[in-house]
Amino acid sequence: AQSVSQHNHHVILSEAASLELGCNYSYGGTVNLFWYVQYPGQHLQLLLKYFSGDPLVKGIKGFEAEFIKSKFSFNLRKPSVQWSDTAEYFCAVNLINGYKLSFGAGTTETVRA
Amino acid sequence: EAGVAQSPRYKIIEKRQSVAFWCNPISGHATLYWYQQILGQGPKLLIQFQNNGVVDDSQLPKDRFSAERLKGVDSTLKIQPAKLEDSAVYLCASSFAQGTEAFFGQGTRLTVV
Repeated sequence: AQSVSQHNHHVILSEAASLELGCNYSYGGTVNLFWYVQYPGQHLQLLLKYFSGDPLVKGIKGFEAEFIKSKFSFNLRKPSVQWSDTAEYFCAVNLINGYKLSFGAGTTETVRA
Repeated sequence: EAGVAQSPRYKIIEKRQSVAFWCNPISGHATLYWYQQILGQGPKLLIQFQNNGVVDDSQLPKDRFSAERLKGVDSTLKIQPAKLEDSAVYLCASSFAQGTEAFFGQGTRLTVV
């Protein structure tokens, strides 16, 4: 079955620490990839997306993600987190042919001052 | 630009009652999604519309859930009768076309008691 897996359920970091959140998917075809963020009390917002081209994509607020096709992965990174990055992060994937947008279970990131 | 509008924001009902949620997508967006997000889990796609046609409803519990998108704009999601396990946040999202970035509303938090 098609699925999206996020490796960490809850991550706790200190300010200025580096962040990497894992995402793997099990789709066999061509995919579009997304990372969404949900800040406390707010709706889901797009952080970044990958459709084609350079596998290293940059998003808002200093986030970036790397698509590694051979590993079916799309990991999210940020070199230095801030307290305001405390949020829940969701990886999402849709198949080019099917277009069904599926989400991972999410990773809650808590940044301590 | 106006975002995706959802109402109500909160709803508390007793089990076996019925409830309806409303969504107004971003103007011009052809694709509309309804997701169910249970606490601690990622959003689960219930139904996806392309204009007023259903693209995917494979995870919609059709014995109790129904959704429509008349005229390809607004959409309603109904639950009848509700069960305790339906307690969740119901998210509506829209995108310009299938496979492109989805924009989310604030969601409706449903509590079934």
